[in-house]
Amino acid sequence: GEDVEQSLFLSVREGDSSVINCTYTDSSSTYLYWYKQEPGAGLQLLTYIFSNMDMKQDQRLTVLLNKKDKHLSLRIADTQTGDSAIYFCAESIVGGGTSYGKLTFGQGTILTVHP
Amino acid sequence: GAVVSQHPSRVICKSGTSVKIECRSLDFQATTMFWYRQFPKKSLMLMATSNEGSKATYEQGVEKDKFLINHASLTLSTLTVTSAHPEDSSFYICSAIYTAEYSYEQYFGPGTRLTVT
Repeated sequence: GEDVEQSLFLSVREGDSSVINCTYTDSSSTYLYWYKQEPGAGLQLLTYIFSNMDMKQDQRLTVLLNKKDKHLSLRIADTQTGDSAIYFCAESIVGGGTSYGKLTFGQGTILTVHP
Repeated sequence: GAVVSQHPSRVICKSGTSVKIECRSLDFQATTMFWYRQFPKKSLMLMATSNEGSKATYEQGVEKDKFLINHASLTLSTLTVTSAHPEDSSFYICSAIYTAEYSYEQYFGPGTRLTVT
């Protein structure tokens, strides 16, 4: 089955870049997502990438995918205190069958941004 | 992005009673929705897949008679926690799949905090 792993904590200074890493095990065609969760709230979709892509950039966010190593990263440029949250990477298998749309989440990385 | 709502956001109920949580896709139709449970400082655990017009598919270990799911329309799925017990206290989050040409996105509701006393 699928397995997704993340480091649990990351602490950065305001204005620096943050890089959150994630590894996954399934080699099937997948979508890989990054979600942000603030305390007591649901998950906010930040960005996603299909497994045939290497990189995707969206304003301050850059997603890098190394398919050979099954490694995904999220870079947040110019990190702000408002970026403090838990960040989850998740993998979804594309295609039919009983796994359609199911997300397998990593444990979440707690990002702390300090002045 | 697409919006998914949940109601209520918080509910407190007594042990032995039932609680219904609604999940709505506000600006798109979703044939598939998911229900997750999240424990404090933990990741999300998928409970079941809710399919419009058919029975829900439950993950291993999730009691289907305790967590009743109904996908009444293309914009509404409900989760009913029957005969709730304190160990059912948790944060329940739903999600819905939004598909369009060249995109495949899954949006989450804001969650429902259930406390069983």
